[in-house]
Amino acid sequence: DTAVSQTPKYLVTQMGNDKSIKCEQNLGHDTMYWYKQDSKKFLKIMFSYNNKELIINETVPNRFSPKSPDKAHLNLHINSLELGDSAVYFCASSQVGAANEKLFFGSGTQLSVL
Amino acid sequence: GENVEQHPSTLSVQEGDSAVIKCTYSDSASNYFPWYKQELGKRPQLIIDIRSNVGEKKDQRIAVTLNKTAKHFSLHITETQPEDSAVYFCAAGRGSARQLTFGSGTQLTVLP
Repeated sequence: DTAVSQTPKYLVTQMGNDKSIKCEQNLGHDTMYWYKQDSKKFLKIMFSYNNKELIINETVPNRFSPKSPDKAHLNLHINSLELGDSAVYFCASSQVGAANEKLFFGSGTQLSVL
Repeated sequence: GENVEQHPSTLSVQEGDSAVIKCTYSDSASNYFPWYKQELGKRPQLIIDIRSNVGEKKDQRIAVTLNKTAKHFSLHITETQPEDSAVYFCAAGRGSARQLTFGSGTQLTVLP
């Protein structure tokens, strides 16, 4: 009963393809995120959704489109994949406003663009 | 925006010794400072956090200290064990986990 789960764990694809990564959380949190971790391990926020509404959209190419069908799910769709998109993508969730709010990460998706 | 700097980038200690990792931040409005541990191939996991109404927090062998005036905070691990080997990240944010800025990470290696 993983709290934040994402699929697939590994994704290998060719340049120019379109791919999606799915994320689900069963913690009842109202906010979900996508983070990108590059080859130097640097973690950077990409998007944040609160109750299905986009609240943070960092400087990310518009080839990346998050979609939140409900507050327990946040999927990431990537169009026209490029070599530089290769990274580990982490989904995360938190309950914003909770007295002891904490950020929980999913297990990550290793994306390799060939 | 917030800028978080973390040092050192790599740290090797002998088993049983202490390890200290330091971070500085730029946004004086930041008041939430979590630390994450990431083992190889795994997700970052929260190990301890501190909010700016306290200066120090301990949890067994792990402690975090915060100096708001100087805008820096540190992670202290005592009696290190091989299983402490991992990448450790500090982060800073305004009041919540909503928009955390992460440091660049410290690869800690505990030598048996």
